[in-house]
Amino acid sequence: RKEVEQDPGPFNVPEGATVAFNCTYSNSASQSFFWYRQDCRKEPKLLMSVYSSGNEDGRFTAQLNRASQYISLLIRDSKLSDSATYLCVVNPHSGAGSYQLTFGKGTKLSVIP
Amino acid sequence: ETGVTQSPTHLIKTRGQQVTLRCSSQSGHNTVSWYQQALGQGPQFIFQYYREEENGRGNFPPRFSGLQFPNYSSELNVNALELDDSALYLCASSLAGGGYGYTFGSGTRLTVV
Repeated sequence: RKEVEQDPGPFNVPEGATVAFNCTYSNSASQSFFWYRQDCRKEPKLLMSVYSSGNEDGRFTAQLNRASQYISLLIRDSKLSDSATYLCVVNPHSGAGSYQLTFGKGTKLSVIP
Repeated sequence: ETGVTQSPTHLIKTRGQQVTLRCSSQSGHNTVSWYQQALGQGPQFIFQYYREEENGRGNFPPRFSGLQFPNYSSELNVNALELDDSALYLCASSLAGGGYGYTFGSGTRLTVV
């Protein structure tokens, strides 16, 4: 089982649609969770952290279910500018103290006019 | 506030050669991590440096080595380049190991021919 698995893409949605991305992780000891956004041939940029209580930032809502080791990202009212690859990221926070990030392969989103 | 800067932006090397990539961390960040992103994949953790010492390493062979300097800038060195080393190399800086998220540089695209 891969450490971080994401929905296979690509997702092609019309403007204004609601789209949801799902992600599972294998290390139950993981402590920190993030969604990053990566535009074509650019670096990943932090979209939002994910907390157990769920968190919202404008049109974006992230949820974490530790029992199921499952993370989600919901984008409402999709904009053309949301087109990008969305990376699910887990920080295993290992006992050695290394804060390495483990990335999923990413899910590509294309918002269509 | 200065972000993470990497140099060079693009590089072409021949198999068997050695390469050094450079990274300046964001102002105030004391931790630097290096990631390799092959085409169509998520970034893979190479290693992290904290206070000039290696603070964790991913599944990469010893020919991948690094340094961190007192000003927190860092270098990634790769010896005996192989064709599969062709990738986008990303540097990310953070505070105190990275539990609160990372800031990525725009990367160095290395092509090995």
